[in-house]
Amino acid sequence: AQSVTQLGSHVSVSEGALVLLRCNYSSSVPPYLFWYVQYPNQGLQLLLKYTSAATLVKGINGFEAEFKKSETSFHLTKPSAHMSDAAEYFCAVRDDKIIFGKGTRLHILP
Amino acid sequence: GAGVSQSPSNKVTEKGKDVELRCDPISGHTALYWYRQRLGQGLEFLIYFQGNSAPDKSGLPSDRFSAERTGESVSTLTIQRTQQEDSAVYLCASSFDRGPYNEQFFGPGTRLTVL
Repeated sequence: AQSVTQLGSHVSVSEGALVLLRCNYSSSVPPYLFWYVQYPNQGLQLLLKYTSAATLVKGINGFEAEFKKSETSFHLTKPSAHMSDAAEYFCAVRDDKIIFGKGTRLHILP
Repeated sequence: GAGVSQSPSNKVTEKGKDVELRCDPISGHTALYWYRQRLGQGLEFLIYFQGNSAPDKSGLPSDRFSAERTGESVSTLTIQRTQQEDSAVYLCASSFDRGPYNEQFFGPGTRLTVL
């Protein structure tokens, strides 16, 4: 069965610092991977998705994720954090249905 | 409308009562999902509808939970004899079809509080 593991339920970074949110997956080949974001009191929205066209995927709001098959990882990064990035981030993998990780809440420190 | 809508946005009920939660997916989306998000937790898959296929009910936590979908339109999630542990945000999502790269579009959720 496919699954995702997000390391760290809470991550705090200073404004302007690098954001790194970790996601490891377990999947049959090929994996279909997604990152979703949930801003406070809002619904989930898609940040980016891996479609096998390129291992480095760029998403909205300056986020990107790199697919590394050897590490079974799909970590989310952003070079410089903004206060508006404070939210909960979910990694997901899809088979016939999408399975979500438990989420990582990102806190931005001024 | 342009997005997935859910009603009501908030529901407060007493333990033991039945509740119905409604989801209107994006027009043309054949796949519809229900998830539960408890406070501080991730998304818990409940049920998945795809076109006219039998729904995947593997995530329903008990027989108190059921869901129906009318064709490729509205869906209703019913919780019978609610318990306090049912308190959560119930999220609905739809997607164009079951193709692997098709993203899900989420509704704003229904916040259920069982007293």
